[in-house]
Amino acid sequence: RKEVEQDPGPFNVPEGATVAFNCTYSNSASQSFFWYRQDCRKEPKLLMSVYSSGNEDGRFTAQLNRASQYISLLIRDSKLSDSATYLCVVNMEGNFNKFYFGSGTKLNVKP
Amino acid sequence: NAGVTQTPKFRVLKTGQSMTLLCAQDMNHEYMYWYRQDPGMGLRLIHYSVGEGTTAKGEVPDGYNVSRLKKQNFLLGLESAAPSQTSVYFCASDTSVPEYEQYFGPGTRLTVT
Repeated sequence: RKEVEQDPGPFNVPEGATVAFNCTYSNSASQSFFWYRQDCRKEPKLLMSVYSSGNEDGRFTAQLNRASQYISLLIRDSKLSDSATYLCVVNMEGNFNKFYFGSGTKLNVKP
Repeated sequence: NAGVTQTPKFRVLKTGQSMTLLCAQDMNHEYMYWYRQDPGMGLRLIHYSVGEGTTAKGEVPDGYNVSRLKKQNFLLGLESAAPSQTSVYFCASDTSVPEYEQYFGPGTRLTVT
């Protein structure tokens, strides 16, 4: 079983739409949670960390449900520039920072 | 401030050839990582380092070796390339403090024929 699972998509939405992605993780000892964005043929970049109480950054809202072991990302008022692959990332603290990456959810925002 | 850089950006190897990928970071980060990314697989950790002179195996270390002689550099070596090593390789670095944002290099696209 994969440590982090995501729906690969693609999610095809019109500009201005609201879209939500979910991600599940298998290890209850997971400590830190993130969403990264990866543009085509580029490196991943941090979009936002996910906090237990939920957090918002402009049009983006992240939620964490520890009981059900899932993380969500909500994008409101989608822009063409939001088209990318969104990676769910989970970290388990230990002797080093071991990150587990989901395979990503692809979003296409259409005009 | 260049962040994380990788060389080369592209490379084509024949089966059995060797090569070294270089990663450099100028953020004084302690931790450095090598990942490979394959379609549908997500990023998988090859090797990592928690400081100068230290290295350790990750999830998929077979066929690769690494060295970290200087804090800012992390080298990934392929001694005898195989077609299964065709992939995109990303180097990353981060600090040892909470929040743990990883900074990635631009990647190396390697094809082994």
